[in-house]
Amino acid sequence: GAGVSQSPRYKVAKRGQDVALRCDPISGHVSLFWYQQALGQGPEFLTYFQNEAQLDKSGLPSDRFFAERPEGSVSTLKIQRTQQEDSAVYLCASSLLGVSQPQHFGDGTRLSIL
Amino acid sequence: KQEVTQIPAALSVPEGENLVLNCSFTDSAIYNLQWFRQDPGKGLTSLLLIQSSQREQTSGRLNASLDKSSGRSTLYIAASQPGDSATYLCADLAWAGGTSYGKLTFGQGTILTVHP
Repeated sequence: GAGVSQSPRYKVAKRGQDVALRCDPISGHVSLFWYQQALGQGPEFLTYFQNEAQLDKSGLPSDRFFAERPEGSVSTLKIQRTQQEDSAVYLCASSLLGVSQPQHFGDGTRLSIL
Repeated sequence: KQEVTQIPAALSVPEGENLVLNCSFTDSAIYNLQWFRQDPGKGLTSLLLIQSSQREQTSGRLNASLDKSSGRSTLYIAASQPGDSATYLCADLAWAGGTSYGKLTFGQGTILTVHP
């Protein structure tokens, strides 16, 4: 596709369940970012991949959060034993390599934990 | 830790009015400053990007300025229209991994409503 694609668009889970969120970056984009956006707030950085390597996971809030990009394309953000404070919109962005390259954002996955 | 603050949190104006959104950041060692638009249920659309060596950028009715020394940026919207209604986010980009990537730090956004 032409843009960053995220699925599902909406996810409702019960507290304690595991969830997996998917991101399909723009073809050829080496860099991939995950952000978490709480209601009424700006996005916050979670983690960064360069191809399949996870170079920065400093923003992951706890060890319940895990991200992977095994073949350097599609990425999955997994949250184990979900808690209510995990409710947020999770945004994925991709870019070409280089700090000057603009990040292109997907429409996000809205996660609600009951 | 870099912090980005946006004022006001919300703004409601009549159509046709000129308006200014404010953004301040604590660390002046940034690579660039961006303004994004976010519509409900959607991702982010980049509006303007100002490199750290620049003072302003213009696109149509939008003008963004950057003053690194004071840690401030403003987004000026001329002749506002109902279609401009959205959340506007500013974000600065700081070096994180040498030349390979940078981290965006966002403000909390300004919710703009332009009524007919």
